[in-house]
Amino acid sequence: QSVVTQPPSASGTPGQRVTISCSGSGSNIGRNIVNWYRQLPGTAPKLLIYRNNQRPSGVPDRFSGSKSGTSASLAISGLQSEDEADYYCASWDDSLSGRWVFGGGTKLTVL
Amino acid sequence: QVQLVQPGAEVKKPGASVNVSCKTSGYTFTAYYMHWVRQAPGQGLEWMGKINPNDGSTRYAQTFQGRVTMIRDTSTSTVYLELSSLKHGDTATYYCAREDIKGFDPWGQGTLVTVSS
Repeated sequence: QSVVTQPPSASGTPGQRVTISCSGSGSNIGRNIVNWYRQLPGTAPKLLIYRNNQRPSGVPDRFSGSKSGTSASLAISGLQSEDEADYYCASWDDSLSGRWVFGGGTKLTVL
Repeated sequence: QVQLVQPGAEVKKPGASVNVSCKTSGYTFTAYYMHWVRQAPGQGLEWMGKINPNDGSTRYAQTFQGRVTMIRDTSTSTVYLELSSLKHGDTATYYCAREDIKGFDPWGQGTLVTVSS
């Protein structure tokens, strides 16, 4: 099991707002930044949100991130069919000599 | 533009070693750490470790200590991942990913390593 937990699936209809949660602990999210990655089917992951809530250039403002305590969340507003993908949160974990940890991933389905 | 190019696939027998390359271009090779992340079929992402191309220093995830080696070749701007004593459970897509100030960006296209007898 991942030390950072995400719901395995989420869904929404076009135009809706969906939120994906990411729950960790004091050794990871509680003291370090969270990044989000999106993985379209058959492709490599791509950076979506960095430093909890920052968007790289080219990422629409429909995507937003937040962090509070040992949890983080990704919100997608104005859902579009092309948003259907797997979403992963990631954080540095200070245990076990330090390591990056990823959430188990959330498969977003656009109904 | 920044590019990370990996071979498409490798097939290895249990107990063997695999060497995966990640050839970079479009940026100063020694200025950015490179990470390796793997993804078993239908599963999530697992961080394996990182290398500093500037001095070759490495940091490995405890899970892979003793089985993993990361090296770099500054003459060709390429990093390599070697994983030894392969098991069926090592069947996965192995990605290299550059670490910049924002996070892992970009990623290589991935190398599917299949461990099969």
